[in-house]
Amino acid sequence: SQTIHQWPATLVQPVGSPLSLECTVEGTSNPNLYWYRQAAGRGLQLLFYSIGIDQISSEVPQNLSASRPQDRQFILSSKKLLLSDSGFYLCAWTGQFTEAFFGQGTRLTVV
Amino acid sequence: SQQGEEDPQALSIQEGENATMNCSYKTSINNLQWYRQNSGRGLVHLILIRSNEREKHSGRLRVTLDTSKKSSSLLITASRAADTASYFCATDIQGAQKLVFGQGTRLTINP
Repeated sequence: SQTIHQWPATLVQPVGSPLSLECTVEGTSNPNLYWYRQAAGRGLQLLFYSIGIDQISSEVPQNLSASRPQDRQFILSSKKLLLSDSGFYLCAWTGQFTEAFFGQGTRLTVV
Repeated sequence: SQQGEEDPQALSIQEGENATMNCSYKTSINNLQWYRQNSGRGLVHLILIRSNEREKHSGRLRVTLDTSKKSSSLLITASRAADTASYFCATDIQGAQKLVFGQGTRLTINP
């Protein structure tokens, strides 16, 4: 069966520090991969999505970047965190035209 | 940018009553999906309705889709306290292979 792993669960980072959040999927090949951010009590903002290795689309120009070094690995990065980068980050995967499966999320607090 | 808009933003009802949430969207879709999120957790898929379908049932859930009005509704019948959560609609955008979420409806079931 397919599983998705996202870590860490919580992270407190100082302003100006780098960020790396990792997401891996098991049990499927060539998934569509997504990074979302959710502010408290709000909806999910699509940050990046990828339909294949080296095929990454950015939805919102900002302080973050994404990479997909392997078919089932999706990484969200920042060189220098801002206070406004705080939030709940969710990784998800889908097949083509299928439902999304989410990781448990990473709560990032930038201090 | 956000595609789906849920209505209402918050809904509070008594246990045993039915809960109805609505979603409107802007562009052509492959399918529309509904998800549930308990506080601070990842999202869980509830039901998917394809663009050529008009109604779908799953247990106590009933989803309708009107592509001419670009709208969908989620009905939860005989609500239970455990149904308390946030509910989101998501649209699989035609031609883009990306899944875009709305702002959600926060549902509270009072015992």
